[in-house]
Amino acid sequence: DTAVSQTPKYLVTQMGNDKSIKCEQNLGHDTMYWYKQDSKKFLKIMFSYNNKELIINETVPNRFSPKSPDKAHLNLHINSLELGDSAVYFCASSQGSHRGVEKLFFGSGTQLSVL
Amino acid sequence: AQTVTQSQPEMSVQEAETVTLSCTYDTSESDYYLFWYKQPPSRQMILVIRQEAYKQQNATENRFSVNFQKAAKSFSLKISDSQLGDAAMYFCAYRSGDTLAGSYQLTFGKGTKLSVIP
Repeated sequence: DTAVSQTPKYLVTQMGNDKSIKCEQNLGHDTMYWYKQDSKKFLKIMFSYNNKELIINETVPNRFSPKSPDKAHLNLHINSLELGDSAVYFCASSQGSHRGVEKLFFGSGTQLSVL
Repeated sequence: AQTVTQSQPEMSVQEAETVTLSCTYDTSESDYYLFWYKQPPSRQMILVIRQEAYKQQNATENRFSVNFQKAAKSFSLKISDSQLGDAAMYFCAYRSGDTLAGSYQLTFGKGTKLSVIP
């Protein structure tokens, strides 16, 4: 049983296309995240949702739109893809408690290549 | 804003030897958490070890231990008896003690690529 699963694992597409990455967690967690890892391996948060509500929204182009239909799912839709969007996108989840050194569970990543 | 610095882009270690990966961070907060994550070629992010800033005792997990120096804002990872499977990217990460409605943000360093020589 995969705790945090994201699909697809690999996504190759042309510039200008619109694509979506799906994420699901079966841990019963309240909070989900999207992180981006660029070509230099630098990881940075993009969004977080707690119980379907947007909580953290870092400086991300508005071509990126997260959608959380329920607290077990957080999908990422990207419009008008650009070369610079090529990266690995990680979904993650956490329990959502206010304190404590709780663990962040990561999905296995989606490698997006924009040609 | 918090920053995390890993000054060693690449390190190598002989199998069975010990290696230390360095990490420094900058924060004005007194309550926070620190983590080391491992990312092997499979791309999976794996939590190696975590430390609460309010705890003076250094965290250990089997062959992995940290040297947490709060005043110096230093959080190094020591890997003892290195194994081939330890070869990976290692990321140091910082988390504030406060959360936003249950959400928190991990700030990552740029990573250290560790090679293990047989």
